[in-house]
Order: sequence, then C-alpha cells, then structure tokens
Amino acid sequence: GAVVSQHPSWVICKSGTSVKIECRSLDFQATTMFWYRQFPKQSLMLMATSNEGSKATYEQGVEKDKFLINHASLTLSTLTVTSAHPEDSSFYICSATTLQGPGELFFGEGSRLTVL
Amino acid sequence: AQKITQTQPGMFVQEKEAVTLDCTYDTSDQSYGLFWYKQPSSGEMIFLIYQGSYDEQNATEGRYSLNFQKARKSANLVISASQLGDSAMYFCAMRDSGTYKYIFGTGTRLKVLA
Repeated sequence: GAVVSQHPSWVICKSGTSVKIECRSLDFQATTMFWYRQFPKQSLMLMATSNEGSKATYEQGVEKDKFLINHASLTLSTLTVTSAHPEDSSFYICSATTLQGPGELFFGEGSRLTVL
Repeated sequence: AQKITQTQPGMFVQEKEAVTLDCTYDTSDQSYGLFWYKQPSSGEMIFLIYQGSYDEQNATEGRYSLNFQKARKSANLVISASQLGDSAMYFCAMRDSGTYKYIFGTGTRLKVLA
C-alpha cells in the first residue's frame, strides 16, 4: 500500500511556542490530505482537509489561526500549532488517499504533542 | 448527515476463536464506501478491509471479512481465528463520495485472551 510518513512522532514544548508537524506521501502524489486529532481513548476527529496549492478547509469549531495548515506540494502537508497551550496536547495524525481504487486512507504514524 | 455507530466499547475473545465487531451507519447517499481500520497501542492506523455500497458480495481479506447488510445499514467486521496480535482498537469508517471526507465511529477495543 501507499506510504505516508509523519514527523515528529512525539514532541514536548513549552506553552506559547509553535510546533510544526510534517506529513509526507512517500510513493504517491496526494492532492488531498486530511488532518485528524485524537484524544485518549476517543475516535479520530477531522480537523481540516488540506488541498495542494490552495487553502485548507477547516471543520466547524477548529481554529484556523491556531492550526495552520500548508500543502505546498503534492507530497507534503504541514500542520503548525501556533502559540500552543496545554489543551492542545493531543495525538495528531495525517492521512492521504490516492483517490484510486477503493480510495482507502493511508495514515502517517501520528504525532503526540505534549504542551507543558 | 452521515453517521457511524459502534455500540461495543470493548470486546473480549479467546485466542483462535472468531469475533464480530458491530458497525451501523446512516447516510442518504446511494454511493459510499465503508472501511475498517485497526489501531494498535502504538497509534498508527492500519487499513483492514473495504466494502463499496454497490458491491454485491461481502468483502474478505485474509482473516477479515465484512458482513455487509445494506438494508439494515450495517457493516460488521468478522475476525476469524483471533490472534494475540489482534488486540487493538478497531474503527469503522465511511467515506463521503463527494468530498472524500471520512467519518469514523467511536471504536471498539478488542482484547484477545490467551
């Protein structure tokens, strides 16, 4: 299957700093990537849809200025958590689809963010 | 609005036995896709199986099979010959045919007992 790589796997930062998470499709071009957030023992919550070369589409209730998404190329999307606070601590996971065949989502490894 | 419901927060199964994880969905679309993903404790999401709304036969992938009952809007995952490595969180998901957005259920935590 297609491979999606996410980095970093985990990060600890101080409150008020910004953190960037990268999501790369390694062996296919992903015109669309999705960013999810997952709280402990809960389901995945879609944050935004990232489209290459255009602005991301955010889900209702997700702060655009807090969670900056950039999809500069067909293989890279980034999520920047700006001015992070402890309540932003969570598991963030990106995904992409080839839009071919059944169109299953291929997920990155996820990034566990802890804001102190 | 589309919705996925998984009513089993947790399930236990004896090793080598079969287990069924329930999933019901709600959509007004005629064309849609249903997926099952496995999430081990490490966090990564692993694609298991897919069922298209127009597929007449139930999908199978190795030890995984999908009991698709369209009229009842259910897409239950059957895992045969359970293994200890099957212990994980399992999510049912549905893809919106227009936006390609995926809606996930709340998940079922499966524990395989030795």
